[in-house]
Amino acid sequence: DTEVTQTPKHLVMGMTNKKSLKCEQHMGHRAMYWYKQKAKKPPELMFVYSYEKLSINESVPSRFSPECPNSSLLNLHLHALQPEDSALYLCASSQGAFGSSYNEQFFGPGTRLTVL
Amino acid sequence: GQNIDQPTEMTATEGAIVQINCTYQTSGFNGLFWYQQHAGEAPTFLSYNVLDGLEEKGRFSSFLSRSKGYSYLLLKELQMKDSASYLCAVRLTSGTYKYIFGTGTRLKVLA
Repeated sequence: DTEVTQTPKHLVMGMTNKKSLKCEQHMGHRAMYWYKQKAKKPPELMFVYSYEKLSINESVPSRFSPECPNSSLLNLHLHALQPEDSALYLCASSQGAFGSSYNEQFFGPGTRLTVL
Repeated sequence: GQNIDQPTEMTATEGAIVQINCTYQTSGFNGLFWYQQHAGEAPTFLSYNVLDGLEEKGRFSSFLSRSKGYSYLLLKELQMKDSASYLCAVRLTSGTYKYIFGTGTRLKVLA
C-alpha cells in the first residue's frame, strides 16, 4: 500500500465553524506533513510531525491546530478560519529515518477547503 | 531567506525534448527532488539528486550542480500526458524534514 488518503475531498465552512481534516498512511512512514497550496502556487509547508512529535511549525496561525494520534494518522483541526485560508491542503508522508539519503514524500490527493 | 526559482510556463511539442531549470539559494542543502503535479491532483515523485551529475529514469533525467545551485529536469519523447506542473524541492538539512518547493513550471505539450 503506497497510498496516502485524505478526507474529506472538499469542505466548505463558515468563519465560525470548527472542522477537521484527516490524513492516513499505512506505509510505516514516521514523518508526516501538512502543506497549503493556493492556485498556481507551490505547496507551502505548514507542519511536520516526526515520530509522532511536532518538529516543525512554520509560524502557522493558531486557528490551525495539528494532531498526530498515532504513527498512521494526522489531523488538522480548523477553527475560526478566514476566507484567505481557502486553499488545497495536502498531507504527505516520508520514511523519516534519520540520515536517510532518499526520503521522498508521498502526497495525498488533498482537501479543497473553501471558507465563506 | 530561501529562494528557489523556475520558469513559470513552458510549451513544447509532442515527441520533443524539454529541459526545465531550477536555481536555488537556500540556507542548507541535503538533496533536490522533482515532482509532477497534474491540475487538481497531488504531486508525485519523479527524481532525486544529492550528488553532482545526471540521474536517469526512463524518459526523465535530472541533473544537479551544487556549486552553481542549479538543477534541471529533462523530459524526452514528450507525450500529451506530460502536460502538468513540475516542482523542484530542496531538502534543507539531513535528519530534518524541511522541504522548500520552487515556484513550479507549468508545461503544456502540444500535438
